Amino acid sequence: GAGVSQSPSNKVTEKGKDVELRCDPISGHTALYWYRQSLGQGLEFLIYFQGNSAPDKSGLPSDRFSAERTGGSVSTLTIQRTQQEDSAVYLCASSLVGGASTGELFFGEGSRLTVL
Amino acid sequence: AQSVSQHNHHVILSEAASLELGCNYSYGGTVNLFWYVQYPGQHLQLLLKYFSGDPLVKGIKGFEAEFIKSKFSFNLRKPSVQWSDTAEYFCAVNEPISGTYKYIFGTGTRLKVLA
Repeated sequence: GAGVSQSPSNKVTEKGKDVELRCDPISGHTALYWYRQSLGQGLEFLIYFQGNSAPDKSGLPSDRFSAERTGGSVSTLTIQRTQQEDSAVYLCASSLVGGASTGELFFGEGSRLTVL
Repeated sequence: AQSVSQHNHHVILSEAASLELGCNYSYGGTVNLFWYVQYPGQHLQLLLKYFSGDPLVKGIKGFEAEFIKSKFSFNLRKPSVQWSDTAEYFCAVNEPISGTYKYIFGTGTRLKVLA
């Protein structure tokens, strides 16, 4: 596609429910990133994919968070048993090459999650 | 661990004023440096980047940034801001030779330009 696509754009859920957030990167981009944007916290790194593997999962806040990527393309971020502190905007970005020569990250519009 | 500090969280300027947003990073080795901008209601987009060479880099919309290795800084500047520059600005760093591909972002600076 023309850009990074994320869905849903807005999600309101009740505490304790599971949610899935989807990211469709730019075609051909091998690297895919998930970030969380909270007010006053900037962009918090969650996880990075190179192809279908995740060399760096260090940013996932707890074992309630997981992510996968299939076919080197679409990625899903799953949050189980959501808590109110999970409320944030979840951003996905993709890049043509992950590594020393990589340049720009292309961001999606984000998925705004509100946990009641 | 690598970290990025942006000293100003909120900045308010009048049109035509000069802008300088501070950014410091913690890693002492070779780094790639970026400034991203998020206009109201829009997604993050690249403003400018530094990989190597001339430490003064120019980006879109008249922005520039200077890499000062001795100060671990990459401050963003614009000589004369416009109302349309109202946005949130994020500094970011990527270590190209550490084996990690993690981009670390600062907490952002919200700029409001008064018409």
